[in-house]
Amino acid sequence: EAQVTQNPRYLITVTGKKLTVTCSQNMNHEYMSWYRQDPGLGLRQIYYSMNVEVTDKGDVPEGYKVSRKEKRNFPLILESPSPNQTSLYFCASCRYPGLSTDTQYFGPGTRLTVL
Amino acid sequence: KQEVTQIPAALSVPEGENLVLNCSFTDSAIYNLQWFRQDPGKGLTSLLLIQSSQREQTSGRLNASLDKSSGRSTLYIAASQPGDSATYLCAGLGGYQKVTFGTGTKLQVIP
Repeated sequence: EAQVTQNPRYLITVTGKKLTVTCSQNMNHEYMSWYRQDPGLGLRQIYYSMNVEVTDKGDVPEGYKVSRKEKRNFPLILESPSPNQTSLYFCASCRYPGLSTDTQYFGPGTRLTVL
Repeated sequence: KQEVTQIPAALSVPEGENLVLNCSFTDSAIYNLQWFRQDPGKGLTSLLLIQSSQREQTSGRLNASLDKSSGRSTLYIAASQPGDSATYLCAGLGGYQKVTFGTGTKLQVIP
């Protein structure tokens, strides 16, 4: 089954404790992206990657890191989480967004709480 | 910077009614515009994608239109059903492969 998976689905942590949220897709997609969703602000793009070893900042990259060492995986790293990073995080992928026909596929989301 | 606005933020209609959801964007240089559905606690499901060269797309009871010159897209839902209750999001793909989402319209269809 074609899908985007994220782990963990729920995470409660404390300020400053490094964490990684994993994202994996099995569709051989070139493009992967991370979003955060906050009430009243909608989904905002954190980082995106056009291909292996190619990453770029989205609208809200501060406090986050990503890496794309393999095509299928795109982990989101919070080196020193803070309470303002409490949010619902989504990973997404598509074959290549420059193709105007391409649909984005979303993971189920990771709800992160930073105390 | 692209900004995407969705009005209204919430909408409640009786079952069977036809309805229109609106999406406005400030930068007409978009490659495509997508409509998604989000159910509570769930991820996003793609409903329709309109390429920049197209004016509309249809899937079942859903019809989405795109007018780049006016910076507007609409999602028309015919004969609404309680199962259509969800939050509907539009998103534009613009330059530098950046995706900008609207804040969504929360739809409730009352039986």
